[in-house]
Amino acid sequence: QKEVEQNSGPLSVPEGAIASLNCTYSDRGSQSFFWYRQYSGKSPELIMFIYSNGDKEDGRFTAQLNKASQYVSLLIRDSQPSDSATYLCAVRPGTYKYIFGTGTRLKVLA
Amino acid sequence: DVKVTQSSRYLVKRTGEKVFLECVQDMDHENMFWYRQDPGLGLRLIYFSYDVKMKEKGDIPEGYSVSREKKERFSLILESASTNQTSMYLCASSLYPVNSNQPQHFGDGTRLSIL
Repeated sequence: QKEVEQNSGPLSVPEGAIASLNCTYSDRGSQSFFWYRQYSGKSPELIMFIYSNGDKEDGRFTAQLNKASQYVSLLIRDSQPSDSATYLCAVRPGTYKYIFGTGTRLKVLA
Repeated sequence: DVKVTQSSRYLVKRTGEKVFLECVQDMDHENMFWYRQDPGLGLRLIYFSYDVKMKEKGDIPEGYSVSREKKERFSLILESASTNQTSMYLCASSLYPVNSNQPQHFGDGTRLSIL
């Protein structure tokens, strides 16, 4: 079992719809969780992080964390073609290291 | 804003060469990291450093070494480059985790080709 798992996609959604991206992790001791967006050929850029159970909203983005079920999700409301990218989930199980999933490719169709 | 600068965006080297990839951050971050990213394999940690002159092996350190002589600079060294080291290399930095909520900030990446 991989430490951080994401569906590779592509996940295709029409413009204006809600995109839902999911991530599961194996280390129950993980403390903090991050979502990065990566455009093709570019480096990852941080979208948001979450460390408490529940929802955290930032503009069109909402991160959801359920530690009991060991999953974290990212919702993108009013999806735009510019949101088309690969979304990486990262988990911090300890003090220094971050464990990344392989990413979900999102395609927003105009 | 945090700025992580990698010395080269694109680099072409020959097998057997010693290759240096440089990374500098301007936010006084204690932690610095080197990853490589390959299609289907995601980000894999090569080495990280949590303080000057301190380093720890990541998941795939073979064939690589690192140097951190100053807090702001973290260098990745390919001792004798091989074709299987052709990849995108990403440097990242983060604050020391007083709490665990410190994200990593990435440089623009170096696309390295070994011929």
